[in-house]
Amino acid sequence: GNSVTQMEGPVTLSEEAFLTINCTYTATGYPSLFWYVQYPGEGLQLLLKATKADDKGSNKGFEATYRKETTSFHLEKGSVQVSDSAVYFCALTSSASKIIFGSGTRLSIRP
Amino acid sequence: NAGVTQTPKFQVLKTGQSMTLQCAQDMNHNSMYWYRQDPGMGLRLIYYSASEGTTDKGEVPNGYNVSRLNKREFSLRLESAAPSQTSVYFCASSEHPGSNTGELFFGEGSRLTVL
Repeated sequence: GNSVTQMEGPVTLSEEAFLTINCTYTATGYPSLFWYVQYPGEGLQLLLKATKADDKGSNKGFEATYRKETTSFHLEKGSVQVSDSAVYFCALTSSASKIIFGSGTRLSIRP
Repeated sequence: NAGVTQTPKFQVLKTGQSMTLQCAQDMNHNSMYWYRQDPGMGLRLIYYSASEGTTDKGEVPNGYNVSRLNKREFSLRLESAAPSQTSVYFCASSEHPGSNTGELFFGEGSRLTVL
């Protein structure tokens, strides 16, 4: 079945460091891919998305490129801030309207 | 604009008690979802409703029932709560999953503790 695998956390970085959070997927067909972010005490909110191969989603300095050949959708940011501390979830659409999430990666940024 | 509203935000139950989590969205979305979030497990889909009048099981449906009351409302019922159902529950909605408008909109969550 369809699934999403993302790197284990927690990830701890210093402010202004480069961030990569890996995400790979298994899916039939051509799913849409998403990154969601969850700030402490809140629900998830969409960070960025890509709906077809080679699309790049971007928002708030974060980017991810839909790579069909490697079945990946890695999240990157060139210079992280303390305010980026959150849990990040990779997700994909599945058949019959289901949306499947990865297990989440907790990111902590040190001042 | 309220978005997705869940009630209650917190609930403590004893084993065997029943309760219903309520969810309503005001965005005229077709699809609605119930997820549970547990440490180290990410979000797991309990049930979803692709459109008004339909419901389907997700990954972890055992011990739960749902009702899509109308296009706005989707409730989750625990008939006989168990400690394993201690979790944070999230309701979400989406206009057209799988399309360019497949974004999920989440409620703030309901923290349930079963003693």
